[in-house]
Amino acid sequence: NAGVTQTPKFQVLKTGQSMTLQCAQDMNHNSMYWYRQDPGMGLRLIYYSASEGTTDKGEVPNGYNVSRLNKREFSLRLESAAPSQTSVYFCASSEQLWAWTSTFGSGTRLTVV
Amino acid sequence: DQQVKQNSPSLSVQEGRISILNCDYTNSMFDYFLWYKKYPAEGPTFLISISSIKDKNEDGRFTVFLNKSAKHLSLHIVPSQPGDSAVYFCAASYIYSGGGADGLTFGKGTHLIIQP
Repeated sequence: NAGVTQTPKFQVLKTGQSMTLQCAQDMNHNSMYWYRQDPGMGLRLIYYSASEGTTDKGEVPNGYNVSRLNKREFSLRLESAAPSQTSVYFCASSEQLWAWTSTFGSGTRLTVV
Repeated sequence: DQQVKQNSPSLSVQEGRISILNCDYTNSMFDYFLWYKKYPAEGPTFLISISSIKDKNEDGRFTVFLNKSAKHLSLHIVPSQPGDSAVYFCAASYIYSGGGADGLTFGKGTHLIIQP
């Protein structure tokens, strides 16, 4: 099915470990985003990429890095995971930056112990 | 400080009745508002939006009302159906004079439960 694919769906990390969350979209969208959702909280923007080759910080970028590998793929890296990064991570894409009808992936549930 | 507030974490409504979900905002610069719907283990999906130049927008069973003076918006679902059971997020943004827009600020969400 067309849309946004995130891998993995679940992950448990130990404090200090690193990992990369993968995201790919097949809708030829220009813009891609990474959000996190903490329990009882709304989504908060971590990083975004307006177009291939560009990335910018969002509201909560500390502890993360991103790579816009090509137009389809936008990865999120945790270099040294901390318990405060336990969250559900959503990748999204849209044809234009901040287009309201962004398509979201189904999320990656990350637990850092 | 939360700029978009959804003060009801959950709401239970009988099937066939009206569901009213509320949202308040504090940033007077917001001029575009959206509602997203989220099922468990899925990402949010866009539901309906409203510009600050309007006070009502309707799409089938869903209507969003905006009261700018009160900085309040609400989502009405009539009639409520079992498939409407989900978490609903209110979100807001503002449009730059040049035509660009800023990112979305989300509320915490309201879990709507439709009872048979």
